[in-house]
Formats: sequence, C-alpha cells, structure tokens
Amino acid sequence: SQTIHQWPATLVQPVGSPLSLECTVEGTSNPNLYWYRQAAGRGLQLLFYSVGIGQISSEVPQNLSASRPQDRQFILSSKKLLLSDSGFYLCAWRQGKNTEAFFGQGTRLTVV
Amino acid sequence: GDSVTQMEGPVTLSEEAFLTINCTYTATGYPSLFWYVQYPGEGLQLLLKATKADDKGSNKGFEATYRKETTSFHLEKGSVQVSDSAVYFCALSLYNQGGKLIFGQGTELSVKP
Repeated sequence: SQTIHQWPATLVQPVGSPLSLECTVEGTSNPNLYWYRQAAGRGLQLLFYSVGIGQISSEVPQNLSASRPQDRQFILSSKKLLLSDSGFYLCAWRQGKNTEAFFGQGTRLTVV
Repeated sequence: GDSVTQMEGPVTLSEEAFLTINCTYTATGYPSLFWYVQYPGEGLQLLLKATKADDKGSNKGFEATYRKETTSFHLEKGSVQVSDSAVYFCALSLYNQGGKLIFGQGTELSVKP
C-alpha cells in the first residue's frame, strides 16, 4: 500500500535561518507531488507541484522553493525565513490527474 | 487565474437539517471537481468527485453535481448528523496543466444535536 511521510511535525526557526521540509512517498512510482500551506480560515494555498523528477511548477512567487531530486521525494526550502512564512505546510501526492490526493500529516512551522 | 470560491463559514445546523455548501470555480479548460472533508484532528480525505459536466458525485449521503453552465459544484446532504461536523473543501484539477490541484478556502460545518 502507498504511504506518505512528512517531517518534521513541528519546527521553530529564527528569522533569517534556512528551511528544509521533506516529503517522501512509498509504494508508488511517478506520482504527482504537491506542497500546500494551510492558514486558519484561508484554506489550502497551492505553493508548488511536480509531475516528475526535476519538474517544478511554482504557483505563488515568494520566499520558498521546491525540488524533486528523486521520483518520490519532494523538498520545500528557503534560504532565509521570514516571519510571514509561519504556517502549516502539507505535502500531498496522487497518481494521475483526476484521482484522489493523499496528504501527509503536515508540518507546523513557527518563525520567531 | 484558476480559482475556487466557497461560501463562508462557519455553518451551524441542527441535526437532520438540509445542508448546502456553495462552490463556484474559474478555470481554463474543463476541470475535474472534488469535495474533500477534514474531520477534527484528522487529515483531508476525499468525499466525492465528478470529472465531467453533468456528472453527479455521491458518498455517505452527500452529493454534488458538476454544472458547467453555472461553473458550480455545490455540496448537498438531505439530513445532516452530528458526525458530519467538519471542514469541507471544494477543489478543482486541471488536466491540461499537469494535474494542478487547487482548493477553496474551506467551509466549517457544525451540527448541533
């Protein structure tokens, strides 16, 4: 069966520090991968998505970047965090373009 | 750009009341449409979907019809239960954009006994 792992669960980082959040999927190949940020009362904002290794589509120009170095690995990064980067980050995957998406447990990021 | 707009919450209903949560979309091309649900303390899970115009998705007593002419996908249930209390998200997927998956802002539903 397929599983998705996202870590860490919580993270407190100072302003100006780098960020690396990792997401991996098991039990499938060539999944579509997604990074979202969920803000209270504001739904899920799509940040990046990827349909293959090295293929990244950016939806919101901001202080973040994403990479997909391996088929089932999706990384969200920042070189210098801002206070406004605080939030709840969710990774998701799905197989194909009309199928159900499966979500990780999320990372609560607090920038201080 | 492509987007999903849902009615604002929270929505508070009594048990056995009729539920409608409105969802409209803007998209280039013909999207597939989804409703996801997030129960308290849990992750998002798919509730139902429709992949082409006039399709009706249904699950657990909920249903929604893909209306191309009004660009809508409203969620309905004839008789809600306390256990339906959750946040509901409408979403669209764009086949011609590599499976881009966009969500609305979510609508919180609270059902009182």
